[in-house]
Amino acid sequence: GQQLNQSPQSMFIQEGEDVSMNCTSSSIFNTWLWYKQDPGEGPVLLIALYKAGELTSNGRLTAQFGITRKDSFLNISASIPSDVGIYFCAGQLSGTYKYIFGTGTRLKVLA
Amino acid sequence: GAVVSQHPSWVICKSGTSVKIECRSLDFQATTMFWYRQFPKQSLMLMATSNEGSKATYEQGVEKDKFLINHASLTLSTLTVTSAHPEDSSFYICSARDAGGMGGYTFGSGTRLTVV
Repeated sequence: GQQLNQSPQSMFIQEGEDVSMNCTSSSIFNTWLWYKQDPGEGPVLLIALYKAGELTSNGRLTAQFGITRKDSFLNISASIPSDVGIYFCAGQLSGTYKYIFGTGTRLKVLA
Repeated sequence: GAVVSQHPSWVICKSGTSVKIECRSLDFQATTMFWYRQFPKQSLMLMATSNEGSKATYEQGVEKDKFLINHASLTLSTLTVTSAHPEDSSFYICSARDAGGMGGYTFGSGTRLTVV
């Protein structure tokens, strides 16, 4: 199945540090979503982006929809232990209702 | 906010039996729902798009006779894994679009299927 390239695959960071992750694709997307998934749970929506170039924040989280519509990044500022989890980007393929997920970034925060 | 309820949260079944998983939108109507499959430490793979009142559309490589999808009402979609085998063991997650809120797709809490 189709997936988006997401990096980094995993990262360990110190509490208080900022985190950045991104997704890239060769396809154009209409919408980018960022989700967080805890073990054994379904993903929870963090941020939704609808326009190329759009920059949106949700608390300590900031995400941007790339100008080319083929990429997006997510930043987490001043990380805390509860930020631990797996973060997924998801892009809505142009002309469809379908969302394709990124490969995920596993975040571990060291207190 | 929009809530999608998925049931059961886990199920163990014997090889050869069938298992039905339900996905309900609790406070909104969903003409379209999506079914994903997730293997351990991997991403979510779209299996099929469930359309209310019509046939589901399946992604390439997903057997429609194996994974039966029924979307009989605006709030309920079901996925039936027929003649389950151990390789069907996985985490199955549904999602539905919430037109309100942030507009993204709301996910159910997932169903962990183990076939023994």
